[in-house]
Amino acid sequence: DAGVTQSPTHLIKTRGQQVTLRCSPKSGHDTVSWYQQALGQGPQFIFQYYEEEERQRGNFPDRFSGHQFPNYSSELNVNALLLGDSALYLCASSSDRAWNSPLHFGNGTRLTVT
Amino acid sequence: AQSVAQPEDQVNVAEGNPLTVKCTYSVSGNPYLFWYVQYPNRGLQFLLKYITGDNLVKGSYGFEAEFNKSQTSFHLKKPSALVSDSALYFCAVRDFNGGSQGNLIFGKGTKLSVKP
Repeated sequence: DAGVTQSPTHLIKTRGQQVTLRCSPKSGHDTVSWYQQALGQGPQFIFQYYEEEERQRGNFPDRFSGHQFPNYSSELNVNALLLGDSALYLCASSSDRAWNSPLHFGNGTRLTVT
Repeated sequence: AQSVAQPEDQVNVAEGNPLTVKCTYSVSGNPYLFWYVQYPNRGLQFLLKYITGDNLVKGSYGFEAEFNKSQTSFHLKKPSALVSDSALYFCAVRDFNGGSQGNLIFGKGTKLSVKP
């Protein structure tokens, strides 16, 4: 049973560019959340997708956007990249019916903005 | 607003000794608390959770956590540390303010170093 998978594992971009990160949730999960983990910090919630809609959003600018597909997989898009966007981006999946179950995390995408 | 605090950036323990990683929380309503572990260049792995019930929660890899409502704490413990326990540990609280599923609010993390 595959867990949460993310691609790519590493990415280097230049300031001002745009990036797309991808996530496939654990089998049986229908909810996908994205987190940003800056170096030396805990993960910060970006947003959550359920039924192909953004259900909840953290304190991130509109440059951060996402999408969820009918198969529950998800993308995170970041436009106009800044140096401060360099971080580990984590995808987490869960089941909406099991609200008190733990989130399952992927290994993340390490984004470096130069 | 919900929050968690991990007062120690690093905890050093000798192998075989007991370990404690501290966490305090601030929530409105009932707390839903979690511990996760992160190994280098990896995602977060779930260790244990407190939703309701017994104050002593047992989790993966021999870890346990003690929920203390009066002290608003949820410290992670293990009776006998292993070198392989060396990793980054995160305490988190579930925030239901924004929707039914809620999201996790994480502490800054505590680096655990277990020496042979």
